[in-house]
Amino acid sequence: DIQMTQSPSFLSASVGDRVTINCKASQNINKYLDWYQQKLGEAPKLLIYNTNSLHTGIPSRFSGSGSGTDFTLTISSLQPEDVATYFCLQHNSGYTFGAGTKLELK
Amino acid sequence: EVQLQQSGAELGKPGTSVKLSCKVSGYNIRNTYMHWVNQRPGKGLEWIGRIDPANGNTIYAEKFKSKATLTADTSSNTAYMQLSQLKSDDTAIYFCAMPYSGAGVMDAWGQGASVTVSS
Repeated sequence: DIQMTQSPSFLSASVGDRVTINCKASQNINKYLDWYQQKLGEAPKLLIYNTNSLHTGIPSRFSGSGSGTDFTLTISSLQPEDVATYFCLQHNSGYTFGAGTKLELK
Repeated sequence: EVQLQQSGAELGKPGTSVKLSCKVSGYNIRNTYMHWVNQRPGKGLEWIGRIDPANGNTIYAEKFKSKATLTADTSSNTAYMQLSQLKSDDTAIYFCAMPYSGAGVMDAWGQGASVTVSS
């Protein structure tokens, strides 16, 4: 089974900051990595699919990059509404979520 | 617009079963897969399994193979998940999710259903 190691677990940043969240796969997952945002009490929401494709309606301050085993979600300028937990999901072989990154405002 | 409407909260006793539903509107479930995901209190997301409603084919995460049973009724456009032999560790929010726009594998989600296991 593919394991996903997500870091950091917690992140505190200020409005306007550039924020990066990482996911590392235990083996090559090609481009099959999606990113989700989950706000408290809500279902997850797709942000980025297949490493770097921005889902419809998602602000352009969100972007994804990477390949093979190492992937990054970047928020170019943090906004108050971005406070949430972020998860990666690999779907190259089965489906495995990362453990999540809780993002809060400093 | 596609909507996934899940059934309500369930309270189950240890050793019993519960069956959750996920009714889809705005999209024919024959044309997609339905995934189920759980989230234990304060924890992350865990993939349980997936069903192809067109033919009933299923795949499960190893740890859920004897816990969850996925089914679908294309006539009512509804997917189901039965959880058996409930234990306290099964207390969680359970989500159904599916691809529908060609973006990712889970771009439409239900609102989640709470299952609490308690005697």
